Amino acid sequence: ETGVTQTPRHLVMGMTNKKSLKCEQHLGHNAMYWYKQSAKKPLELMFVYSLEERVENNSVPSRFSPECPNSSHLFLHLHTLQPEDSALYLCASSLGTGSSYNEQFFGPGTRLTVL
Amino acid sequence: LAKTTQPISMDSYEGQEVNITCSHNNIATNDYITWYQQFPSQGPRFIIQGYKTKVTNEVASLFIPADRKSSTLSLPRVSLSDTAVYYCLVGDGNNDMRFGAGTRLTVKP
Repeated sequence: ETGVTQTPRHLVMGMTNKKSLKCEQHLGHNAMYWYKQSAKKPLELMFVYSLEERVENNSVPSRFSPECPNSSHLFLHLHTLQPEDSALYLCASSLGTGSSYNEQFFGPGTRLTVL
Repeated sequence: LAKTTQPISMDSYEGQEVNITCSHNNIATNDYITWYQQFPSQGPRFIIQGYKTKVTNEVASLFIPADRKSSTLSLPRVSLSDTAVYYCLVGDGNNDMRFGAGTRLTVKP
């Protein structure tokens, strides 16, 4: 185990539903990340939080809304998604964002299917 | 952002040494080179990181020539369980490292 947990592991939702993905890290890290991995595509960095402050948002549609209430928890709120949003959503954490040794620890991911 | 180029796929057999090369011609002075491994439906896992010359850990070795425009991940005596996608990333840790397509390694019996 990496010390990063994600729930749920699988989620099926309709386009009008509202759901949230949860990520928790038990490593004492200060930075957390959301990635999206579609089938046969590279990982796409969505959001980066450092010390609970969003430091990067890679032009992600507003139907994805992140929340970082503290350095151990990260949420991704989903609203009116499209079928093309179906993917594996991965959470990661690292000690910080300004270190050369910025090893990221990934959670197991949430497999999301939008019907 | 320093762009990386890796072979899309590689095949090997159990017990062989596998070398995966990554090109990063525009690597910056402050950039480090990091490799991750990813199994299907799992998150990537850190393998090794280096800045120059050679780095070795219990899993792999990383060879970086003097000009740092490329790097080679070396996996000794691979097994079937080493079948995965291997990613090369370059950056200084300030959120500028991006995952590319990676190299899909298939180890055959």
